Amino acid sequence: AQTVTQSQPEMSVQEAETVTLSCTYDTSESDYYLFWYKQPPSRQMILVIRQEAYKQQNATENRFSVNFQKAAKSFSLKISDSQLGDAAMYFCICYNQGGKLIFGQGTELSVKP
Amino acid sequence: DAGVIQSPRHEVTEMGQEVTLRCKPISGHNSLFWYRQTMMRGLELLIYFNNNVPIDDSGMPEDRFSAKMPNASFSTLKIQPSEPRDSAVYFCASQGYTEAFFGQGTRLTVV
Repeated sequence: AQTVTQSQPEMSVQEAETVTLSCTYDTSESDYYLFWYKQPPSRQMILVIRQEAYKQQNATENRFSVNFQKAAKSFSLKISDSQLGDAAMYFCICYNQGGKLIFGQGTELSVKP
Repeated sequence: DAGVIQSPRHEVTEMGQEVTLRCKPISGHNSLFWYRQTMMRGLELLIYFNNNVPIDDSGMPEDRFSAKMPNASFSTLKIQPSEPRDSAVYFCASQGYTEAFFGQGTRLTVV
């Protein structure tokens, strides 16, 4: 069975600093995708960054980057130059074609001014 | 494309009443998911469809819950009869090739 684990229920970062959110996953599939989504108080789910498992290069999207360690099944999210608008619940998700979207438990990120 | 559309956005109903939540996925997406989110239990997958066929409904809590996808552009989640513990935000998501798109959710309150 696929599982996704986020071991940090809550994290806090000072504005303009860098924070890393952890995620580990388990899947028997060889072809899968990993995502980080954020859910602000508006509750809308917003895609932050995506990683295809077959790509070795870590995905980067402006201030957001991942550290994808396929052998270790680890997929952490680094947020650089944190902004107040980054405060949200962050979900790590694993997906394979035709299968389920498997969510982690979420990490609540707060940003201190 | 307007994205995944859920209706209603808010629903308040009395215990025992039937509730129907609706979802219109993004055209061309083959997979559709129904999730429930509460403070206590977080996000729970209720059921998902692939090409309009229910693949896994093991997350549906009880027989009071049922879901249908009569065609590729429409899905419903029905609760009959509703109970106060069903109060939650219900999300629908459709999965494209590389990204999942979520509706804005339906906040259900059963009093």
